[in-house]
Order: sequence, then structure tokens, then C-alpha cells
Amino acid sequence: DVKVTQSSRYLVKRTGEKVFLECVQDMDHENMFWYRQDPGLGLRLIYFSYDVKMKEKGDIPEGYSVSREKKERFSLILESASTNQTSMYLCASSSPPQLDRGAWDTEAFFGQGTRLTVV
Amino acid sequence: QKEVEQDPGPLSVPEGAIVSLNCTYSNSAFQYFMWYRQYSRKGPELLMYTYSSGNKEDGRFTAQVDKSSKYISLFIRDSQPSDSATYLCAMKTGGFKTIFGAGTRLFVKA
Repeated sequence: DVKVTQSSRYLVKRTGEKVFLECVQDMDHENMFWYRQDPGLGLRLIYFSYDVKMKEKGDIPEGYSVSREKKERFSLILESASTNQTSMYLCASSSPPQLDRGAWDTEAFFGQGTRLTVV
Repeated sequence: QKEVEQDPGPLSVPEGAIVSLNCTYSNSAFQYFMWYRQYSRKGPELLMYTYSSGNKEDGRFTAQVDKSSKYISLFIRDSQPSDSATYLCAMKTGGFKTIFGAGTRLFVKA
């Protein structure tokens, strides 16, 4: 059974703390993504990575950074947590399209989410 | 204006009903259209995907895309209590970036 695993289901951190959210996938996927999900706003892309050590900003990268040292692991870092970063954080992975085989390139696999509360 | 609009609901239906979930969008360059299902306290799971216009059927689920109207739909036939979840539409032009709707909460009452 394929899996995207996020290190924590629930986290409570204090304002100003440095926070690490870890994500590991076992599908040998090239692409990995970090989203945050807020009521009424849906999923918003923070950062994504299409290869080891490569990263691209998404729509809301401010206050966040990422690290991808190994293919299977993608970390999201909150440099100095603030209360407006209280949210559900979702990691996802995918592989590049193999259209000749009918395969699909999209965020088909999500982790279970990390609900972060910053107090 | 958001690129993708989706009624948040909640939508409450009796078991066995036909459910219609919809999204509208503004970017005519979108070519790939997806529906995700998200159970409470879980991550989204890909349910259906469609390339360009047309219909796609998978069991009790049918996805429709009308690019001329910039409107996509997901139909659920013979709805079951286990279908109770939040349904997210999503779409992309073909690159890395996927745009998600805010999600519609569905409750199917036994």
C-alpha cells in the first residue's frame, strides 16, 4: 500500500519557535508538495520540489522554507512560528506524467495532515 | 475573484439520493480536472480525473466537464452514508500547479 507519511498529526507550538514538519513517501515519486488548508480557502500551495535539492515557491511561501535532501523526504520549516500559521498542513507527492501508459501526473497521494496550533 | 469557485455547503441528502457537486472556474487554460474526497481528519484522496471536456464514469461516480461554460460536476448515484465527506474540485493547466476549490461538505443520512 503506497504511503505519504507526515511525522505528526497534531502539534502545538509557541509563537517565535522554529517548527519542522516532516513528510516521507515510499513511492519513489519525483514531485513533492506542501499545502496548507484553511476553512473557506481550500488548499494553498506553499512550496513544491520536483527533484532532490530543488524547490520552487508556491502561492504563499512567506514565513516558510523547505528542504529536500533525499528523494523520499520533504521538510517544511516555519522559521519563526506565528499565530496566523495555525492551520492544517498537507504533504503530497506525484510522479511526472507517463501519458503513453495512461498514467497521471497530479497530487494523487496526500499525507494524513498535521494540524498545527501556534499559541 | 477566485480562480475556482465551489459552494461550501453543507449539503445534506438522504441515503440513495443522487448528489450533484459543482465548481466553476475562470481560467480557460485549465485542461485537467480532478475531484478529491476528504474524510474528516484525513488527507484528500484522488477520486476522479478528466482531461479536457466530456464525461467519465467510475462505478457510482460520474465526472463531467463543460469547458465552454467553465463548469465541472461530480455526480454520485445511490449515495451512501460512507460518501459523507468533503469533496474538493481541482484543476490545472498542465504544469506543477494545481488550483483547488474550497470544498463542499456532504452528509448522507441513513
